[in-house]
Amino acid sequence: DIQMTQSPSSLSASVGDRVTITCRASQTISNYLNWYQQKPGKAPKFLIYAASSLQSGVPSRFSGSGSGTDFTLTISSLQREDFATYYCQQSYSFPRTFGQGTKLEIK
Amino acid sequence: QLQLQESGPGLVKPSETLSLTCTLSGGSVGSYYWSWIRQPPGKGLEWIAYMFYRESPKYNPSLKSRVTMSVDTSKNQVSLKVSSVTAADTAVYYCARDYDSRGYGYYGLDVWGQGTTVTVSS
Repeated sequence: DIQMTQSPSSLSASVGDRVTITCRASQTISNYLNWYQQKPGKAPKFLIYAASSLQSGVPSRFSGSGSGTDFTLTISSLQREDFATYYCQQSYSFPRTFGQGTKLEIK
Repeated sequence: QLQLQESGPGLVKPSETLSLTCTLSGGSVGSYYWSWIRQPPGKGLEWIAYMFYRESPKYNPSLKSRVTMSVDTSKNQVSLKVSSVTAADTAVYYCARDYDSRGYGYYGLDVWGQGTTVTVSS
């Protein structure tokens, strides 16, 4: 199985800040990397696929990059509604695996 | 607009079989790939299974011997059964469409149900 490791596990930031979350795969996954946002009590929301392509309707302040084993999710200017938990997921092979999550909290 | 609605028993006794159903509206289950994902209380997401109705399902090896996924096109439903449940199977269970929007194999979970909570307890 491909292990996905996110860092940091939690992050405190302020509205307007630029934040970056990292996801590392235990082996190369090309750019078969997805990002999701989850708010408490809600299902995850699909943000980014193919490492850097924004899902329809996702604000442009979200961006993704990377290939191979190292990936990042960047939020250019945090809005209040962005405080949530973020998960990466590889779709390169089965079993699909998720990172452990990064909880983004208000400072 | 696709909408998914999971349903389940809520409470299951240890060693019993858990049966979950996901009903699709706004589309046909036979047109897409589907996945089940679960989330134990306070923890992260765990992928369980994936299938297209005309193909053999793929399962997480950690659960493979206990899990069965199926698609019923006549009822427009996706189902999941987990046998011999223990407290470790307590979680919110989600079904989701696994969709390749680009056509190049870049699958992602783009439509989710609201989840159904399952507690395993005697």
